Amino acid sequence: DIQMTQSPSTLSASVGDRVTITCRASQSISFWLAWYQQKPGKAPNLLIHTASTLESGVPSRFSGSGSGTDFTLTISSLQPDDFATYYCQHYNGYRWAFGQGTKVEIK
Amino acid sequence: QVQLVQSGAEVKKPGASVKVSCKASGYNYPSHGISWVRQAPGQGLEWMGWISAYNGNTNYAQRLQDRVTMTTDTSTSTAYMELRSLRSDDTAVYYCARGQGHMDYWGQGTLVTVSS
Repeated sequence: DIQMTQSPSTLSASVGDRVTITCRASQSISFWLAWYQQKPGKAPNLLIHTASTLESGVPSRFSGSGSGTDFTLTISSLQPDDFATYYCQHYNGYRWAFGQGTKVEIK
Repeated sequence: QVQLVQSGAEVKKPGASVKVSCKASGYNYPSHGISWVRQAPGQGLEWMGWISAYNGNTNYAQRLQDRVTMTTDTSTSTAYMELRSLRSDDTAVYYCARGQGHMDYWGQGTLVTVSS
């Protein structure tokens, strides 16, 4: 099965910072990658799918890029509402998987 | 609006089974698959499997495939996930989510506690 590795596991940042989270697949997944945001006690929220397509209603400060094995989620200017945990997820083939998550904390 | 409403919290003993339901509304149910994802306390998300709401085809995570069964009832727009031979490490919040691939709408989650 394809494994997903996110880095960093934890990220400390300030409001207004540009933040980048990386996700690496153990083999090529083309562009079959999604990013989610999750806040404590809540279900995940889809941010981006097919590596770079912004889900409707998601602020434009979120963007995704990459293909093959290496992907990034960028928040151009971190807002107070963005402190949360972020997960990548591949959906290439018949078995899918999440990365281990990246917690974005207040610096 | 699209909604996925899950059944309530469950407490089970080790070795028992649990069946969680997920009732969909606000969209054409057969045209989207349903995935199941779980999250143990303080841990990350684990994809469990997916079922086609159109024809009932399934894909399961390899580590769960011997213990999990996903089914769907198009007459009630409801998906079900049954997990057997429960162990303490199955204690988690179980989510259903719409989508075959990326998941755009999620249920509220169902806490399943496995304890003797």
